[in-house]
Amino acid sequence: EDQVTQSPEALRLQEGESSSLNCSYTVSGLRGLFWYRQDPGKGPEFLFTLYSAGEEKEKERLKATLTKKESFLHITAPKPEDSATYLCAVQEDDYKLSFGAGTTVTVRA
Amino acid sequence: GAVVSQHPSRVICKSGTSVKIECRSLDFQATTMFWYRQFPKQSLMLMATSNEGSKATYEQGVEKDKFLINHASLTLSTLTVTSAHPEDSSFYICSAHKGSAQPQHFGDGTRLSIL
Repeated sequence: EDQVTQSPEALRLQEGESSSLNCSYTVSGLRGLFWYRQDPGKGPEFLFTLYSAGEEKEKERLKATLTKKESFLHITAPKPEDSATYLCAVQEDDYKLSFGAGTTVTVRA
Repeated sequence: GAVVSQHPSRVICKSGTSVKIECRSLDFQATTMFWYRQFPKQSLMLMATSNEGSKATYEQGVEKDKFLINHASLTLSTLTVTSAHPEDSSFYICSAHKGSAQPQHFGDGTRLSIL
């Protein structure tokens, strides 16, 4: 059974069209939830860590929020350079990360 | 910052060859490094946890004799794919963190193609 599920699989946006990505998780002892950005042929780039429900983090056009069952990554007024695959990962008591399959975002100019 | 360097970025070799991939933490010491494998359009799958000065911990289904891991110093871990075959072709990525509660920082991956 998947511990981390991301939706949608792919998202095509017009420049300036805000949207949200979802990451739902089913782990018992959440130590942290991480968001990463991955460009083609590259390793993931760290964006945010969220530790407890109600927490929010922001960086430029990105804002991550966390509840007890899911996290959202909001992209406000995206630009073409925001095109990437966004990965969500959860960390449990053993400190290992379990990744979702990712959401591939394409922003058209 | 937290920079992780991985080398080589791409390897193409014949079946039966052993391939070594290096992962270095450039500006911090990492007692633990991680090795992942990623297939196209799929997520990262943890292969093993590399601990400095001790044996690596492998995930279920990962052959330890096939994927040899050495973590000889606080800044270097190596993954050797022994006697590689076409089914070992994949994107291998390493990561490291400054501490267990800190985020993992990733290298840029190694694209391994076995002919």
